[in-house]
Amino acid sequence: EDKVVQSPLSLVVHEGDTVTLNCSYEVTNFRSLLWYKQEKKAPTFLFMLTSSGIEKKSGRLSSILDKKELSSILNITATQTGDSAIYLCAVESYNTDKLIFGTGTRLQVFP
Amino acid sequence: NAGVTQTPKFQVLKTGQSMTLQCAQDMNHEYMSWYRQDPGMGLRLIHYSVGAGITDQGEVPNGYNVSRSTTEDFPLRLLSAAPSQTSVYFCASSRTRNSNQPQHFGDGTRLSIL
Repeated sequence: EDKVVQSPLSLVVHEGDTVTLNCSYEVTNFRSLLWYKQEKKAPTFLFMLTSSGIEKKSGRLSSILDKKELSSILNITATQTGDSAIYLCAVESYNTDKLIFGTGTRLQVFP
Repeated sequence: NAGVTQTPKFQVLKTGQSMTLQCAQDMNHEYMSWYRQDPGMGLRLIHYSVGAGITDQGEVPNGYNVSRSTTEDFPLRLLSAAPSQTSVYFCASSRTRNSNQPQHFGDGTRLSIL
């Protein structure tokens, strides 16, 4: 059964800290891994990582896919209170039309 | 450009009542899906559709029906609401499932079953 596990479940930091969020997966015939940020409403897309694109960066956020270790990390440097959110990891397989989500990491950034 | 629109935003039902959660997208996306989000459970796939006239079950389909008569609309029906269906429901869409395009989510419907 396809599975996505995120850690930690919750993280509390101060502004300016750097955080690393983890996502590990078990999926048959891996296609891609996606990171989403969820504040109060809809999850918003951050990154998609595939075999042909294992590292992505946007401003203070970056993500790396380790296909050997079946995992990904999401790094946020110089955190701000606006980074407070739930960060969701999801994977998809070539075998199915489904996107499987992890339980998410709740990040709280305090001034 | 509205994106993915879900209605209603909030709903309270009594056990046994039925209702339909509406989802519409104006991006001509072929792929649409419904998720529910519960505390500590992440997003779980209920049903999905790869195109008009085609639907399939996700991880937690029991108690829910869907149909896809048009590309734009993908309603989710609760036939006989149960307290276990209290959740936040998200609809999402993407161009296709094979396009390396991420899914776009609606703002969600918060549903409470008493």
